[in-house]
Amino acid sequence: AQKITQTQPGMFVQEKEAVTLDCTYDTSDPSYGLFWYKQPSSGEMIFLIYQGSYDQQNATEGRYSLNFQKARKSANLVISASQLGDSAMYFCAMRVVRGGYQKVTFGIGTKLQVIP
Amino acid sequence: NAGVTQTPKFQVLKTGQSMTLQCAQDMNHEYMSWYRQDPGMGLRLIHYSVGAGITDQGEVPNGYNVSRSTTEDFPLRLLSAAPSQTSVYFCASSRSGTSENEQYFGPGTRLTVT
Repeated sequence: AQKITQTQPGMFVQEKEAVTLDCTYDTSDPSYGLFWYKQPSSGEMIFLIYQGSYDQQNATEGRYSLNFQKARKSANLVISASQLGDSAMYFCAMRVVRGGYQKVTFGIGTKLQVIP
Repeated sequence: NAGVTQTPKFQVLKTGQSMTLQCAQDMNHEYMSWYRQDPGMGLRLIHYSVGAGITDQGEVPNGYNVSRSTTEDFPLRLLSAAPSQTSVYFCASSRSGTSENEQYFGPGTRLTVT
């Protein structure tokens, strides 16, 4: 079975501070991709960052970094220097693709609110 | 590029009615998928396609049909709508068959079944 767990329903962070959003996962597949998406109140899904299961280094994309700890099966998102525009829902997801087979699992999300 | 487009943006159906949610992408992506998003839950995979003529079921396929006759289009059909199908539906596409390729999402269709 494939599972994503996000245990923080809501988080608050002061503007310009860093925040970590937690994500743990479970899978028996050795090859998988981990993704973070942002969903603002307007509803669209915005891709933020990707980490492959075989990647040795943690992924970074601008102010976003992914703290990947494979042994702990965790893939936490770190947002540095938070901005008011970062207020949104954040979803962690895992994707396994093998030939013509695909399995995608999303967590239930974390609502982040940035306080001025 | 328009990316992934979905129509309509909003739809209200009565129980038992049928309709098709349209999805198109202009990025020549092989993989296309349909998800539903319900309150308090993440996205759940309904059906997906790995290329024209090839489709498969996801996590919650019951009540939905799909087909893929072209690379660009991947419509989702509700044959007999039920209130439990009230949800926001997202279509997504990705480049090829490896886990690393990010999915590009359409803007979503908000469906209400009364």
